[in-house]
Amino acid sequence: AQSVTQPDIHITVSEGASLELRCNYSYGATPYLFWYVQSPGQGLQLLLKYFSGDTLVQGIKGFEAEFKRSQSSFNLRKPSVHWSDAAEYFCAVGLNTNAGKSTFGDGTTLTVKP
Amino acid sequence: GAVVSQHPSWVICKSGTSVKIECRSLDFQATTMFWYRQFPKQSLMLMATSNEGSKATYEQGVEKDKFLINHASLTLSTLTVTSAHPEDSSFYICSAIPGLPSNEQFFGPGTRLTVL
Repeated sequence: AQSVTQPDIHITVSEGASLELRCNYSYGATPYLFWYVQSPGQGLQLLLKYFSGDTLVQGIKGFEAEFKRSQSSFNLRKPSVHWSDAAEYFCAVGLNTNAGKSTFGDGTTLTVKP
Repeated sequence: GAVVSQHPSWVICKSGTSVKIECRSLDFQATTMFWYRQFPKQSLMLMATSNEGSKATYEQGVEKDKFLINHASLTLSTLTVTSAHPEDSSFYICSAIPGLPSNEQFFGPGTRLTVL
């Protein structure tokens, strides 16, 4: 069975600083990988996804992520964080044979200091 | 495009009553929808997979008689929490897939259920 680990429960960065959120997955085949953002009391919004091809994926709101097969990682990055980026971030891995069924990491809470 | 709505956005009910939550795909047809449960400060736990016109597939440990799922059309799935108790209080989120091959889910905004 697949699994997702987000090692950092909580990260605090200053506004304007760079950000990296870590995600490691365990899956036997090439996974479908996702990053979602969730604001308090709301559903999830897809930031970006990786299915195949270029391992550096660009998403919305200035986010990007890099798939590294050798490290089983899919870390999320942003060069300059804005106060509005404060939220909960979830990494997820989906099965490529079972459309939509995803396993989520426990999430990382991002706090942005002024 | 690919908007999913949920109704209600929040509901408070007395213990022992049943609550129905609707999940609608507004601008696409969804043969498959998913229901998740999220406890405070925790991740999403998949409860069941809802397939249009057939019975839902429940994840291990989820009581199918307590969480009734109906997917009567290509744009609507409902989750009914029967005989709700305080421990059922949670944030329920649905998602829908427009179709293969993207494997991309579109999530609803969630429903906050509080059982008194």
